[in-house]
Amino acid sequence: GENVEQHPSTLSVQEGDSAVIKCTYSDSASNYFPWYKQELGKRPQLIIDIRSNVGEKKDQRIAVTLNKTAKHFSLHITETQPEDSAVYFCAASKTGTSGTYKYIFGTGTRLKVLA
Amino acid sequence: KAGVTQTPRYLIKTRGQQVTLSCSPISGHRSVSWYQQTPGQGLQFLFEYFSETQRNKGNFPGRFSGRQFSNSRSEMNVSTLELGDSALYLCATAGAGQETQYFGPGTRLLVL
Repeated sequence: GENVEQHPSTLSVQEGDSAVIKCTYSDSASNYFPWYKQELGKRPQLIIDIRSNVGEKKDQRIAVTLNKTAKHFSLHITETQPEDSAVYFCAASKTGTSGTYKYIFGTGTRLKVLA
Repeated sequence: KAGVTQTPRYLIKTRGQQVTLSCSPISGHRSVSWYQQTPGQGLQFLFEYFSETQRNKGNFPGRFSGRQFSNSRSEMNVSTLELGDSALYLCATAGAGQETQYFGPGTRLLVL
């Protein structure tokens, strides 16, 4: 069935270092890949997304790369700050003509940025 | 625009009872998806509604059901509650033809 694997499950980095979170999806028809950040007790918030016709997208300190052949996408956070500490979820989705179908989420990565 | 809202925010029920949760989407959003979030299982897809029709369903038992009204508000119902149903239930909404889902704050359900 459809599946998204996410690694690592926990990640600790020193403030200022980079963090990389990797996801692999199983459904080759997936064409939309969002990343969400969830702080403790709060709702998941979209931080960046990428579509299957793009290989890389960057937004300030955050970037996402996509390798469709390998069915693999990654989140890169540079110059990490304490406020980046949260749980990050990747997701894969295939979009039909009338809108988004279901997201399949990875199991999450708890990122701790040590000051 | 106001964000996605969910009511109630917290619920305590006992085994065997039933519960109804509500989700009001961002104005203009017609797609509403429901997810169950638990520490061990992450975010699990329950079902998605669009224009009052269920378009997709996850792998949950029939005790979990939902519906959507003409104003796009959605409800989900869980009957015959079990201890394992304790979780944060999140809804997420999207505009027609839009991939991005926006989450509500969730309803935290505790089953005793």
